[in-house]
Amino acid sequence: DADVTQTPRNRITKTGKRIMLECSQTKGHDRMYWYRQDPGLGLRLIYYSFDVKDINKGEISDGYSVSRQAQAKFSLSLESAIPNQTALYFCAIRGSGANVLTFGAGSRLTVL
Amino acid sequence: KQEVTQIPAALSVPEGENLVLNCSFTDSAIYNLQWFRQDPGKGLTSLLLIQSSQREQTSGRLNASLDKSSGRSTLYIAASQPGDSATYLCADLRGTALIFGKGTTLSVSS
Repeated sequence: DADVTQTPRNRITKTGKRIMLECSQTKGHDRMYWYRQDPGLGLRLIYYSFDVKDINKGEISDGYSVSRQAQAKFSLSLESAIPNQTALYFCAIRGSGANVLTFGAGSRLTVL
Repeated sequence: KQEVTQIPAALSVPEGENLVLNCSFTDSAIYNLQWFRQDPGKGLTSLLLIQSSQREQTSGRLNASLDKSSGRSTLYIAASQPGDSATYLCADLRGTALIFGKGTTLSVSS
């Protein structure tokens, strides 16, 4: 199994729909992150969590919400999707201390 | 605020050439510096992590160095191959703020 699993891998939806992207990990790491990647803008942090009770906004959290259901699961929701949320979304994990940042394979979201 | 810059944005080289990718940062208080590779439409694969107490790391044909005094990290790729074609990103892994450069897209022609 992959260290970080993202579902769905691809999703096409319509404006106004609610969408959930899910992330699960098998490493037992405390820190989990959601990023979006857009051409020319690089990776931007949406939300991050250091444990189940510790959730923090990143630089572009407007229009998104998250839930840390368990140490291993961190979900990203778009309550009412809009076209400019079309992007490649990545979940990442990291242990405490000087540990590497490990990414999932990504979820490509298209909002029509 | 830390800024991470990668220049050039794109680089094309013939197969077999040795090359250097650059990553510069404005705040020299780097904690850990990580290099990643990303293939088009794919996730990021970790290549090398340089911890704050280290100056370089090596893995196969790759060598990454960190010079805090100059605010710079370099990724050296020896004997480049077409399979090395990808986008390479560096990131400053400090605390809660994981700051990424926008990457250098490398194309190696056979």
